[in-house]
Amino acid sequence: QVQLQESGPGLVRPSQTLSLICTVSSNSFSSGSDYWSWIRQPAGERLEWIGRIYSGGDTNYNPSLKSRVTLSVDTSKKQVSLSLISVTAADTAVYYCAQSRAGTRFFDSWGQGRLVTVSS
Amino acid sequence: DIQMTQSPSSLSASVGDRVTITCRASQDIKSYLNWYQQKPGKAPKLLIYAAVALQRGVPSRFSGSGVGTDFTLSISSLQAEDFATYYCQQSFDNVMTFGPGTKVDLK
Repeated sequence: QVQLQESGPGLVRPSQTLSLICTVSSNSFSSGSDYWSWIRQPAGERLEWIGRIYSGGDTNYNPSLKSRVTLSVDTSKKQVSLSLISVTAADTAVYYCAQSRAGTRFFDSWGQGRLVTVSS
Repeated sequence: DIQMTQSPSSLSASVGDRVTITCRASQDIKSYLNWYQQKPGKAPKLLIYAAVALQRGVPSRFSGSGVGTDFTLSISSLQAEDFATYYCQQSFDNVMTFGPGTKVDLK
């Protein structure tokens, strides 16, 4: 059973950088075929896909956030990182990491989520 | 981006009721449609993938149907643990998008 755990600051100042880490307990982490996505959800709103990264480092981003987002992976630590620059109050949300197994296009394992508030 | 809509936005039902939720895509997404259940304060849970396939461990009272632009999630006999919000998600496009959700609560 794959487990994912998000971690990082719960409060970020406006114009600063939001940084989160997702630690994955999975034997398939280094296989290169599975991939991990970041998804966020503002309170009371729908889920928004931010982007995905494969363990080999290939990435795809949501065009609405592409200019501000960077995903990276550290296979030795089994960690996937999210960096979102120049944040505003509109970036306040619960941030989830989620895994998709090789060859699939759905999210079958999720972290518990990390609430990040952007406020001065 | 492909826009996803759901109806109704909320519904009230009783234990034992049959519940149907509809999801519509703004363009043909073949069968690249997934359904998730989310309870307050929890992460979404995958129920149905590829429009009709039941995720392992999900009760058989859940079923999905549809192809193209119109899809349905059905719960044959609502149980107490099924009160939650349900989201559809398209995975046809590289930019995956979700519907706005349908909240199912107790009548």
